[in-house]
Amino acid sequence: AQSVTQLGSHVSVSEGALVLLRCNYSSSVPPYLFWYVQYPNQGLQLLLKYTSAATLVKGINGFEAEFKKSETSFHLTKPSAHMSDAAEYFCAVVSNSGYALNFGKGTSLLVTP
Amino acid sequence: DTAVSQTPKYLVTQMGNDKSIKCEQNLGHDTMYWYKQDSKKFLKIMFSYNNKELIINETVPNRFSPKSPDKAHLNLHINSLELGDSAVYFCASTRDRGFTDTQYFGPGTRLTVL
Repeated sequence: AQSVTQLGSHVSVSEGALVLLRCNYSSSVPPYLFWYVQYPNQGLQLLLKYTSAATLVKGINGFEAEFKKSETSFHLTKPSAHMSDAAEYFCAVVSNSGYALNFGKGTSLLVTP
Repeated sequence: DTAVSQTPKYLVTQMGNDKSIKCEQNLGHDTMYWYKQDSKKFLKIMFSYNNKELIINETVPNRFSPKSPDKAHLNLHINSLELGDSAVYFCASTRDRGFTDTQYFGPGTRLTVL
């Protein structure tokens, strides 16, 4: 079954520091992977997605992620954290059925001044 | 205009009651979904409809019944509510049933069962 594991339920960084949120996937077929962000009391919003084109994917708000097949990883990075980046981040993979997403358990990002 | 809207935003009710949550999308999408987000923020797919046809029905108690009167609406009716049903329920839509499509989420409905 297609699944993702997010390492670290909480990550804290200082404003201006590098953001690294980890996601490893398990998939029996070439995966399609996504990162979504959820701001407090809001629905989820797509940050970026990997659909087997370029392995380095750029998304909104300065985020990017690199697909590494050898490491079965799809980690999310941003060079310099802003206070407004504080949110819950979800990694997801297309499900077995192909018609929905299986989400990881989320990583809460805290940005301190 | 809100792309995916849900009503109500908050729902507080007693155990045993029956309640409905409504979802509407104005994006012209063909596929809609219901997800449940538990207290630990874990999101799980419940149902998916494509053009009013059920295409995903995960292991969900049959107290939960989705209804799609047209492709712009997907409502969720819950019978005999239980404490464990307390969660945030998200509606989402995609342009079609393709698995690479971006999912557009509604703002969520926070259900509290007392």
